[in-house]
Amino acid sequence: ETGVTQSPTHLIKTRGQQVTLRCSSQSGHNTVSWYQQALGQGPQFIFQYYREEENGRGNFPPRFSGLQFPNYSSELNVNALELDDSALYLCASSLTTDRVGEQYFGPGTRLTVT
Amino acid sequence: AQSVAQPEDQVNVAEGNPLTVKCTYSVSGNPYLFWYVQYPNRGLQFLLKYITGDNLVKGSYGFEAEFNKSQTSFHLKKPSALVSDSALYFCAVRGIYNFNKFYFGSGTKLNVKP
Repeated sequence: ETGVTQSPTHLIKTRGQQVTLRCSSQSGHNTVSWYQQALGQGPQFIFQYYREEENGRGNFPPRFSGLQFPNYSSELNVNALELDDSALYLCASSLTTDRVGEQYFGPGTRLTVT
Repeated sequence: AQSVAQPEDQVNVAEGNPLTVKCTYSVSGNPYLFWYVQYPNRGLQFLLKYITGDNLVKGSYGFEAEFNKSQTSFHLKKPSALVSDSALYFCAVRGIYNFNKFYFGSGTKLNVKP
């Protein structure tokens, strides 16, 4: 069984640039959720993808967007980066049909915006 | 709306002593509650969950949690703390309307001193 993987591990971008983060879900999981964890805070839900469509969104602006591919892997795209976007971005996978199970998290991508 | 609160930013305990990390929840309906642990520069690791049934839930690494409906609490406990338990602990509640959305607390840093 393969766990959740994310790439890259670290990333440094300049304000105004665009960034793409990638996530491979755990084997057999069809749903991917993305979270933003700012320093000293708990993870905040960005959005979730199921069957290649957005299936729920948190309080994040449209410049945060995503994709899910047929193999259930996912991308998080952030346009027009702002300094406050600096955070650890976590991907979590799960089974949509499992309404009581836990989410499985990847190690995260540390994004620094300068 | 669903939310969890972790009233303590930091908990300090001596190795070998019992530890408690507090969490209270606010949920309309039956809560699905979770505890996760995060080590430095790592993703979140699942510890345990409460879905229904016995109010005392046992999890990984000797941790357990007690669900108390009247006090709307779900405190994490361990009879004898280890230095290696030092980490950041997050309580989370699963969404009622979006089962794959988790709401996390702000986290509690546990320091276990030898």
